[in-house]
Amino acid sequence: AQSVTQLDSHVSVSEGTPVLLRCNYSSSYSPSLFWYVQHPNKGLQLLLKYTSAATLVKGINGFEAEFKKSETSFHLTKPSAHMSDAAEYFCVVRGANAGKSTFGDGTTLTVKP
Amino acid sequence: GAVVSQHPSRVICKSGTSVKIECRSLDFQATTMFWYRQFPKQSLMLMATSNEGSKATYEQGVEKDKFLINHASLTLSTLTVTSAHPEDSSFYICSARELQGAPNTEAFFGQGTRLTVV
Repeated sequence: AQSVTQLDSHVSVSEGTPVLLRCNYSSSYSPSLFWYVQHPNKGLQLLLKYTSAATLVKGINGFEAEFKKSETSFHLTKPSAHMSDAAEYFCVVRGANAGKSTFGDGTTLTVKP
Repeated sequence: GAVVSQHPSRVICKSGTSVKIECRSLDFQATTMFWYRQFPKQSLMLMATSNEGSKATYEQGVEKDKFLINHASLTLSTLTVTSAHPEDSSFYICSARELQGAPNTEAFFGQGTRLTVV
């Protein structure tokens, strides 16, 4: 069994300040973890993924995430928010099965000028 | 990255009619495609896993006779919403993984289809 919890449904930051979107997971197997971004009425775009290599993963648009097994966390960060970062973000866990993905409930990121 | 094309992007249909949504992998072969449903301001819920050449595997609570899935080739899966009702109005998204992809390979998502049943 696997599950993922995004700890914040909404996060609001000012432009130029750091972003932290929190994600905790549970999995019976060594998981693969992903962060996706979704802009309104659009599909999903992969930001980054963890697949048992380096625990600090760098993604697109300046985002990165750190896999912490002891804390079962995979938080997404960005040093400086941009207005274009405003969107919905999903943390996803996939176990060592046929590849079924479990999505978190999503975090809405608002960036204030 | 690989491209998954979903068509149509928006569709409005009358209650009682059927609607077909296509999901194509444009530059890779996908043995497995996934269909998701997303209600406003909610997360994606997996409806079914579509495997090329075999029957789809539906998640609990999803009516297989209402949501018909066909995966006739390695680049195309279709979802048909039969006898649509207003409560079927939602955002439907497909994803596809490459042939013989390991569990940690990326799944590429289509742009989604906004279905409105009136």
